[in-house]
Amino acid sequence: GAVVSQHPSWVICKSGTSVKIECRSLDFQATTMFWYRQFPKQSLMLMATSNEGSKATYEQGVEKDKFLINHASLTLSTLTVTSAHPEDSSFYICSAAHPGLTSNTGELFFGEGSRLTVL
Amino acid sequence: AQSVTQLDSHVSVSEGTPVLLRCNYSSSYSPSLFWYVQHPNKGLQLLLKYTSAATLVKGINGFEAEFKKSETSFHLTKPSAHMSDAAEYFCVVSESGNQFYFGTGTSLTVIP
Repeated sequence: GAVVSQHPSWVICKSGTSVKIECRSLDFQATTMFWYRQFPKQSLMLMATSNEGSKATYEQGVEKDKFLINHASLTLSTLTVTSAHPEDSSFYICSAAHPGLTSNTGELFFGEGSRLTVL
Repeated sequence: AQSVTQLDSHVSVSEGTPVLLRCNYSSSYSPSLFWYVQHPNKGLQLLLKYTSAATLVKGINGFEAEFKKSETSFHLTKPSAHMSDAAEYFCVVSESGNQFYFGTGTSLTVIP
């Protein structure tokens, strides 16, 4: 089946530094990718929708200057957490929308997630 | 408008007994419906999906779900729980294939 690769799986950084997380669709082209944040024992919180070749659409309350999203190709989207602070520590997950045969058969494939710890 | 309601935030079953995780949805059109499983510190894995074909959908690891339009439900079941089934389960609905709406998740505990 389709595979989405997310890297790094775990990153620890100092406060004030920036961290980039990559999300790649390995065997299909993903026009749309999604970025989520997940707190312990909670559901996924959609942060933004990343569209190839255009600006990302951010959910209400998500700072676009803090969480930079770039979707430069049909197989790669990146999330950069800028000037990270301890409160940014979280589990970040990406997903890519596989188009399917018709728009009604599209489904999401998820990366394995990236755990960010900011000291 | 689309929405998904997972009626139980936590379900606990004994090993070898049936599992029922409930999901109700609202959708203006014919939706696609999915169940995903998430083990700790992992991404989400697709268990099964309904996309307007057979209403009883069989997935991986012995799970299945039945789409009931009259009840707007897509409950997930498994005849016999295994310890490895302990995880978080998410019900997801999509109309367009580009927007996906998640339930709040159900945490399944399997008691030995």
